[in-house]
Amino acid sequence: KAGVTQTPRYLIKTRGQQVTLSCSPISGHRSVSWYQQTPGQGLQFLFEYFSETQRNKGNFPGRFSGRQFSNSRSEMNVSTLELGDSALYLCASSLEVAGRQETQYFGPGTRLLVL
Amino acid sequence: AQSVTQLGSHVSVSEGALVLLRCNYSSSVPPYLFWYVQYPNQGLQLLLKYTSAATLVKGINGFEAEFKKSETSFHLTKPSAHMSDAAEYFCAVSVRTGNQFYFGTGTSLTVIP
Repeated sequence: KAGVTQTPRYLIKTRGQQVTLSCSPISGHRSVSWYQQTPGQGLQFLFEYFSETQRNKGNFPGRFSGRQFSNSRSEMNVSTLELGDSALYLCASSLEVAGRQETQYFGPGTRLLVL
Repeated sequence: AQSVTQLGSHVSVSEGALVLLRCNYSSSVPPYLFWYVQYPNQGLQLLLKYTSAATLVKGINGFEAEFKKSETSFHLTKPSAHMSDAAEYFCAVSVRTGNQFYFGTGTSLTVIP
């Protein structure tokens, strides 16, 4: 079974631009979560989607948004980029078993650099 | 409220020495517990997980962890550290309430030759 894939792997943008990152989950996984990882703040939860609905959300400004498609693929968008948005963005997918996420499987991440 | 606490953001051990990374959780319901490892510029890789079966869980690369309900702990151990074990380690918990996954702040393991 193919793992979680994320595209692109690397991205350079300038302040004020917007960016869209893509995540394809493991086949059969309906839950997709996004995380931001920086040296200073560690691993921070952005949001989780399940069956095309945002189910959980972290404490990030409205510039960060996401969506999930009917095939469970997910995208996240960051508008009006700031220098502080430079980070590794990780996507994870999971199966739901007995009403909870069983295991999160991570993609390799997208490294975003904002200049 | 659910949370995960990893004691020690940095741990150094000598090659061949015991590795012990600490994780405590708070959960009002029986949790699923996980340890992940992350190498530089990579995603997180599952090391092992506890899902209410055997309390001593064996994972990849010689790691194991023991679920202790009375201590609300899930510490990660390896009898003999190898240079390739140097990485960031994350403890995580999955709970039914709100269907959420919580990660600890991570522990950076350094192995000294």
